[in-house]
Amino acid sequence: EADIYQTPRYLVIGTGKKITLECSQTMGHDKMYWYQQDPGMELHLIHYSYGVNSTEKGDLSSESTVSRIRTEHFPLTLESARPSHTSQYLCASSYPGTGDTGELFFGEGSRLTVL
Amino acid sequence: KNQVEQSPQSLIILEGKNCTLQCNYTVSPFSNLRWYKQDTGRGPVSLTIMTFSENTKSNGRYTATLDADTKQSSLHITASQLSDSASYICVVSAGAAGNKLTFGGGTRVLVKP
Repeated sequence: EADIYQTPRYLVIGTGKKITLECSQTMGHDKMYWYQQDPGMELHLIHYSYGVNSTEKGDLSSESTVSRIRTEHFPLTLESARPSHTSQYLCASSYPGTGDTGELFFGEGSRLTVL
Repeated sequence: KNQVEQSPQSLIILEGKNCTLQCNYTVSPFSNLRWYKQDTGRGPVSLTIMTFSENTKSNGRYTATLDADTKQSSLHITASQLSDSASYICVVSAGAAGNKLTFGGGTRVLVKP
């Protein structure tokens, strides 16, 4: 079982609020990712990090920001939430280094609803 | 452009029956292909990985195949159970280090008693 945790699991907030979705892993993985997934749809990469102080934007444009100050922690922040941000956000991590098999270990997800 | 297409989008099967899911990809250079299972409201979990030299791999009642020549993979579920109801996602890795991932849209499977 993967040791990667996301909080909160569910969040309902009003428009304009600032929110931070937390993600922590205890596997020592260098690589961490945030995916956005609408119900019944495919996953879209919005941010990733290959190590401390390294963050990159993913394939899907997102108004969120991320930080990677510690290896085990990769929080995602929305400064001003809007209804269009309503979605499920999945955090994942994978083994470091070249030649890895690329298996992603996912958290349980954070389902965000913005009213 | 790297693409992964899955079919069917959804299917309903009776408990105990078998089914096969398809994944076609145009990803280069190919590194590996994974099948993930995603239960409703949960994160995906890896079922199996296929590398270039592998044709078939089993994980319990799940059997994956890979034809690298035609760039096709399948996931066969044998003697389906209610707990197999989930989305199954095909993910192809590209590049020498397999760092570039392309996700399929998934197949939603519903097993009915």
